[in-house]
This record gives sequence, structure tokens and C-alpha cells, in this order.
Amino acid sequence: AQRVTQPEKLLSVFKGAPVELKCNYSYSGSPELFWYVQYSRQRLQLLLRHISRESIKGFTADLNKGETSFHLKKPFAQEEDSAMYYCALSYPLNTGNQFYFGTGTSLTVIP
Amino acid sequence: GAGVSQSPSNKVTEKGKDVELRCDPISGHTALYWYRQSLGQGLEFLIYFQGNSAPDKSGLPSDRFSAERTGGSVSTLTIQRTQQEDSAVYLCASSFVAGNYEQYFGPGTRLTVT
Repeated sequence: AQRVTQPEKLLSVFKGAPVELKCNYSYSGSPELFWYVQYSRQRLQLLLRHISRESIKGFTADLNKGETSFHLKKPFAQEEDSAMYYCALSYPLNTGNQFYFGTGTSLTVIP
Repeated sequence: GAGVSQSPSNKVTEKGKDVELRCDPISGHTALYWYRQSLGQGLEFLIYFQGNSAPDKSGLPSDRFSAERTGGSVSTLTIQRTQQEDSAVYLCASSFVAGNYEQYFGPGTRLTVT
């Protein structure tokens, strides 16, 4: 079963426009959720995690347990935001932690 | 400071051969993770280590895949009798401990099975 769903493979927005990258998860407990980003020719790196409730590079993400969503938002997209974005889920099991990544959304910000 | 390193960066092998991929985590990180990144498939979690032990090996795609970690540091992912569907980028990450800590990723090993 797909634990993390990112419905958009590709997303294009104009510079200065708002952007929302969707993420839905499947888990009934209290998950740990993350957004990772991979810029061109760079390593995958953490963008933000819900437990920190922080805003990084103008991005925020709110955990909505009712909708089981963790969408990533930014009010004004910048060209340097163009990258691949992955939503990730972690939760503990008796056998150890489980980690799931979505299939990713490629964001292109058009100048 | 030194990040996560992986070797080799690229590996081309013939179908049926065994390959060994290496990951060197950030010093002091007790948790180490292996992922597979295939086109259109996102990141597939394979296995993680907390210290030298892997609590759950069920993410490994088949019994041709195995991983070990010794001394709480370097880890090797071994694929025996490689198949063409094993072609992918294999990513390693490490974190302070397993769980909700930030994972730091390596550059990956691109494996091509011909």
C-alpha cells in the first residue's frame, strides 16, 4: 500500500505566484512527516519537518490529521525553488522505524 | 565537514554478477539508511541500521539483497546475481539516531546492469 502519495509528478508556476505541493499519507497514528528537496546536481536534503513547525526558505507545511495531508506551501515562488520535492513519512513499529517517501514532485518556476 | 560518502559513484555490471556498494556515514551518526531511487518510482526504503543491527529487513526487494554494518560506521549493500531491474541509483543516508531526526544523504551510486 502506498503510504505517501504525491499526486503531481510535475508542477509549473510563474515566479511570484503561490505554490502548493500536495502530499497525502496513509497512517492512523501520529506520524512524523518531512519534506525533502533535491536541487539540480545536489544531494537530497531536508527542507522541513512538521515537528519543528518552522518556515524554511519561505516554505511552510501544516499537518492536517483529518485529511491526512501535509501539503507544502509558499506564497511567492522564486526561480531558485525549482527542484524535486519529496514528502516523507516515518513511524515506529515493534520491529523498528518505517520510512516512506513519495514519488516526488518536480517543481519548475517560470521566470 | 565531511558528509555522507558513497562508492563507487557509478557501477556498470553484467547481469548475473555480484556488486557491493559502500556507504560511509557522518561520524557520530548511529543510524544509517539505504534507499533505491528508480525513474518514476520515488525513493524506495530498503533497510536501516541503528548501530550495527538492522531491526527490519523486510524492505529489501529480494533475498539477493543483503546489507551489513560493522563497527557502527561503514555499511555495504550487496546485490547478488544482479538483474536488469536492479538498475537504479542507490542512496545512503545517516542520522544522529533513527526516527524523526534529519537524514543526511550521500551522492548515491548509479548502478547499471547490462
